[in-house]
Amino acid sequence: DTGVSQDPRHKITKRGQNVTFRCDPISEHNRLYWYRQTLGQGPEFLTYFQNEAQLEKSRLLSDRFSAERPKGSFSTLEIQRTEQGDSAMYLCASSSQGGLFRLVNTEAFFGQGTRLTVV
Amino acid sequence: DAKTTQPPSMDCAEGRAANLPCNHSTISGNEYVYWYRQIHSQGPQYIIHGLKNNETNEMASLIITEDRKSSTLILPHATLRDTAVYYCIVDYGQNFVFGPGTRLSVLP
Repeated sequence: DTGVSQDPRHKITKRGQNVTFRCDPISEHNRLYWYRQTLGQGPEFLTYFQNEAQLEKSRLLSDRFSAERPKGSFSTLEIQRTEQGDSAMYLCASSSQGGLFRLVNTEAFFGQGTRLTVV
Repeated sequence: DAKTTQPPSMDCAEGRAANLPCNHSTISGNEYVYWYRQIHSQGPQYIIHGLKNNETNEMASLIITEDRKSSTLILPHATLRDTAVYYCIVDYGQNFVFGPGTRLSVLP
């Protein structure tokens, strides 16, 4: 399967514990995005990388959240001291750059997500 | 914040065309219109995107008005498997901002 893969698919953790999720994008894609989705809502943007550089972070990404993409390939999202409000689906997506000026996104492909439940 | 507005829900009879509208009155000249859909418990799936011209692929057609302030996604022959939340997104090279989308129910 050459799509975006996320691991684990499900995670149950106790409040206060740290969790880390992994995303493997489509190999030739230089852009990688993290989103969070709660029940009944559309995905909310968290952060994105172009290669290894983290170019934008949402205000939703508190100090307890950190994302890395050390070699411009896979990415990790860590949540420290989890809270019940962190319970959500965490989605990863990747895209490449296209268009005349090579700034525009091509279509983004999403993984199946990691469902986090904090108890 | 999302730059688009969509009706919260729509119904469509199986086998009929589903026409999903989207308003993006503040779109700028270099922003593309993207459509994604999300079937329950899965990640969003890309459908189609366009800039000025109408576009068609194996999944759908995208009709963009001449002033680019609105667009319509057309599923020509809706099936039960097309039941999903459909998102219209306006983007230029930054990140994809999702609104609440339209929940399409295809009825037998």
